[in-house]
Amino acid sequence: NAGVTQTPKFQVLKTGQSMTLQCAQDMNHEYMSWYRQDPGMGLRLIHYSVGAGITDQGEVPNGYNVSRSTTEDFPLRLLSAAPSQTSVYFCASSPVGVQPQHFGDGTRLSIL
Amino acid sequence: EDKVVQSPLSLVVHEGDTVTLNCSYEVTNFRSLLWYKQEKKAPTFLFMLTSSGIEKKSGRLSSILDKKELFSILNITATQTGDSAVYLCARRGNRDDKIIFGKGTRLHILP
Repeated sequence: NAGVTQTPKFQVLKTGQSMTLQCAQDMNHEYMSWYRQDPGMGLRLIHYSVGAGITDQGEVPNGYNVSRSTTEDFPLRLLSAAPSQTSVYFCASSPVGVQPQHFGDGTRLSIL
Repeated sequence: EDKVVQSPLSLVVHEGDTVTLNCSYEVTNFRSLLWYKQEKKAPTFLFMLTSSGIEKKSGRLSSILDKKELFSILNITATQTGDSAVYLCARRGNRDDKIIFGKGTRLHILP
């Protein structure tokens, strides 16, 4: 009964490095999304997907790439990490439609 | 167009008090309104609202939606220290299925 699994849980990067945050769900949900959470800012939508092969931008997409080659996986790529991308990142999934999202436990990312 | 506004941003009350948290949304691209509670980790789901005037209840928590005035409230009665958390409101769009969150209300319950 895994739900939404995010890896890694913690990561420290140097400015300019690239990395991929992994997100996988086993509930056959069409909708998946990535958020970042900074103090006092709630959750801000980075990118989302309504199905395999379909992705779209959220509120704060700059500096991030996504792809959705399978229903289960929705990786988030930082192309060239910047200190402003230090944050907690949450992945979430749900069926398309009115249903609420299930969240992963988050990845705490620090960019030095 | 996608803005979700929560108020107050922060609230401190004593155990046993009743609190009302507010959420307004500025768009008619609307499918559902969602409330979440966030303690130390990931948000956990509380309520989903799609129709005006129908109250959802779970124990001491309740919520209602007004689609004409574009707002929702979350009530917590007889608060306990375990209710201390950030409460998040989100709007799910009808056209694009986007789920946009407000900044949250940080609630602290004093014993």
